[in-house]
Amino acid sequence: KNQVEQSPQSLIILEGKNCTLQCNYTVSPFSNLRWYKQDTGRGPVSLTIMTFSENTKSNGRYTATLDADTKQSSLHITASQLSDSASYICVVSMNYGGSQGNLIFGKGTKLSVKP
Amino acid sequence: NAGVTQTPKFRVLKTGQSMTLLCAQDMNHEYMYWYRQDPGMGLRLIHYSVGEGTTAKGEVPDGYNVSRLKKQNFLLGLESAAPSQTSVYFCASSYLHEQFFGPGTRLTVL
Repeated sequence: KNQVEQSPQSLIILEGKNCTLQCNYTVSPFSNLRWYKQDTGRGPVSLTIMTFSENTKSNGRYTATLDADTKQSSLHITASQLSDSASYICVVSMNYGGSQGNLIFGKGTKLSVKP
Repeated sequence: NAGVTQTPKFRVLKTGQSMTLLCAQDMNHEYMYWYRQDPGMGLRLIHYSVGEGTTAKGEVPDGYNVSRLKKQNFLLGLESAAPSQTSVYFCASSYLHEQFFGPGTRLTVL
């Protein structure tokens, strides 16, 4: 069964600290893996997209890694800020562009950054 | 550019009532999607469209209908609302591998 599992479910960290969120997937055939940030009451916003051949991609203080052999990805947040408080969703696409709607969504990790 | 907009933002219905959720995008995207998001679950695809005049079923289509009469609009209809349809509904449009989400509609069915 195609699945995306994220851990931890929730995480509390102090402002300025780093953290790493995990994503394991059993999706085949794999096309790309995406990380989204979803603020409370808002729609998800794309952070990174990685294809099979990419093993790391950065977007400011966000760095995503992908190990296609072990089917694992991580999202590392450096020097966290209060505005990083959000849910982070890992999504795996089975088709290029997701045009046929074959996106498998994880349940998300809820991150709270405390002052 | 407004991006993806959704109307209304909030709605409360009684069981059996009908309503239509409107999604509009000004990015000239061919692909549009409707998802629902429930507590403790990932987003689930209801219906999607790969172009004007075309629609297709997603993972959880029962109880919903859609129409894509104009490229920029994607409508989601509930003919006879049920409490199980209480959820937050997100519309999205996509270009290549990037999906752009709307702000969501919070629907409560009593």
